[in-house]
Amino acid sequence: QLVQSGVEVKKPGASVRVSCKASGYDFMLYGMHWVRQAPGQGLEWMGWISTFNGNTDYSQKFQDRVTLITDTPTTTAFMELRSLRSDDTAIYYCASEGFHAALALWGQGTMVTVSS
Amino acid sequence: DIQMTQSPSTLSASVGDRVTITCRASQTFNNWLAWYQQKPGQVPKLLIYKASSLENGVPARFSGSGSGTEFTLTISSLQPDDFATYYCQQYDSYPWTFGQGTMVEIK
Repeated sequence: QLVQSGVEVKKPGASVRVSCKASGYDFMLYGMHWVRQAPGQGLEWMGWISTFNGNTDYSQKFQDRVTLITDTPTTTAFMELRSLRSDDTAIYYCASEGFHAALALWGQGTMVTVSS
Repeated sequence: DIQMTQSPSTLSASVGDRVTITCRASQTFNNWLAWYQQKPGQVPKLLIYKASSLENGVPARFSGSGSGTEFTLTISSLQPDDFATYYCQQYDSYPWTFGQGTMVEIK
């Protein structure tokens, strides 16, 4: 399973770091993705990190503001988003690939609210 | 980037109906296409991968088909538990992209 950190409330211009603790499977076997969902909106892919070697690929939309990292000993993935704006208010999900590479396992989501 | 467009955006149907949702891609790709179901307040759930393969534990009334640029999700006999929003997603190339979603509501 994937267990994410709790609700965050941030001011515009701040940064947020969301964690995603994996358990019950070989953490290094499957890549980890981050997807967000603004209130009442659809799913938006943010980026991917290889849990094997740390390689990343980011959506161009977030390229300059997002960093994905993993900590293998604790089987935890992290997403940092900087220079927050009000339109970054969303639920942020981590999701692990299955053997078939689609997003088989999802965290419960972390609500991030950006408000002055 | 591969753009994914779903139709319809909203679908009204009754229990027992056969329901089809279409997903069109802006360019052809190699069937790395998934379908997810999301109910209000819940996490997305993988239904179909590789365009037509059923994820473990997903009822057989769900099926996927298609290739190239056009894909479909079919629910053979709609059940009360199926009223939800459905998303297609291509995972052929980065950036991965989702369709805008199709809400299946009770008629």
